[in-house]
This record gives sequence, C-alpha cells and structure tokens, in this order.
Amino acid sequence: QVQLVQSGAEVKKPGASVTISCKASGYSLTSYRVHWVRQAPGQGLEWMGVINPTGGGKNYAQNLQGRVTMTRDTSTSTVYMELSSLRPEDTAVYYCARDGCEFWGQGTMVTVSS
Amino acid sequence: DVVMTQSPLSLPVTLGQPASISCRSSQSLVYSDGKTYLSWFQQRPGQSPRRLIYEVSNRDSGVPDRFSGSGSGTDFTLKISRVEAEDVGVYFCMQPTRWPYTFGQGTKLEIK
Repeated sequence: QVQLVQSGAEVKKPGASVTISCKASGYSLTSYRVHWVRQAPGQGLEWMGVINPTGGGKNYAQNLQGRVTMTRDTSTSTVYMELSSLRPEDTAVYYCARDGCEFWGQGTMVTVSS
Repeated sequence: DVVMTQSPLSLPVTLGQPASISCRSSQSLVYSDGKTYLSWFQQRPGQSPRRLIYEVSNRDSGVPDRFSGSGSGTDFTLKISRVEAEDVGVYFCMQPTRWPYTFGQGTKLEIK
C-alpha cells in the first residue's frame, strides 16, 4: 500500500534551518510529483511547493522563494524539504503529499522558538 | 493567486441531517484539457487531511456515498446526505488547476 513516512518533530531557534524527509513506499517515487503543505496551529492549509522526482523540477510558492529547497534521492525513494532562516511564524505541521493529494504523510511538527 | 472562499466557516449539524459546504474560486477552475480540478478534504482532529472528492465530483476509494461533490466553473459544493458522528472535523476545498495550489479557509463541522 502507498505510504509516505516523514521524519520526526523538530525544535529550532529563529534563523536556523530545518530539513524534513518524506520516504515513499508502495509505489515508484519517480511516477508522481510530491507536494509540501504546511498548517500553522489552529490554521488552514498552505501549499509550499512541489518537486518532480523524475527530473528534479520544482515549483515553489512565491512567498517562500529563497527560503525553501526541495530535493529528492531516488535511490532511497525519499524527498526532502529544507526551510531556512526560520521565523516563529514558520511554526507549523509540515506534510508531504503525493501528486493529487490522495496520499499524505503523517506530518512533522516544527517549532521555532528562542 | 486563485482565492478559494468557503462558507459557512462553522457548521453545527444534527445527527442524521444533511450538510452542505460551499466553495467559490476567484477564477475558473477549468483547465486547458477541459477538465475542472477541484478537490475536497476532511481533516479530523490530530490527523492528516484525507481526500474525499477529486475533479469536482469523483469520490475517493472508501469514502461513504453520503458524501457528494458538485459544481462547475467557480462555484462548488460538498454535500453530506446524513451526518454521522465520525464526520466531525474540518473540511477544505483545494484547487490544483493553477499555480500556486490554494485551499479554502476550512469549514468546521460539529454535531449540534
């Protein structure tokens, strides 16, 4: 069965960077793009961007351009999302989702606090 | 960006009664292939979102048939024919037609 398993919770200080992994199983990673979506506490869903694992092409949300980087390792069927220059308002649960958003990871809580 | 506007934002419903959520987009969601791409998600407390409906009206596997989606162009609706206790949560619409993908604000369904 299709599964997306994300790395564990992180606590970071403002200005630091965080990298979250999303390991795909039950299908070929290169067959579908992978999206990243985040949700601040008690808030709605915000699309962050998408990576095409086949060629590595990416499309990022404009408000995160310059701070977000998505990469993939096809040998381990894993996609990564790095967010730099963290601010308290980046505190959120971060999700990966397979193209179409039918399948989601379990979410990774990132807390940014001094 | 395409703005997705849901209403109502809070929806108290009596068990067994119907419920309806509206989602309006600021631009047409008809893609160049002629299809309309609009999805609905349910998010139960503490869980990841779950897709219920894709391409306006197609139910995902395992989704009860009391859930239905309809609409066209810029105006869409999610209906629950008879609300059950397990339907409590927040419902979001999302458009994957134009970059960036955008979500509605969410509608919180609760049992009256």
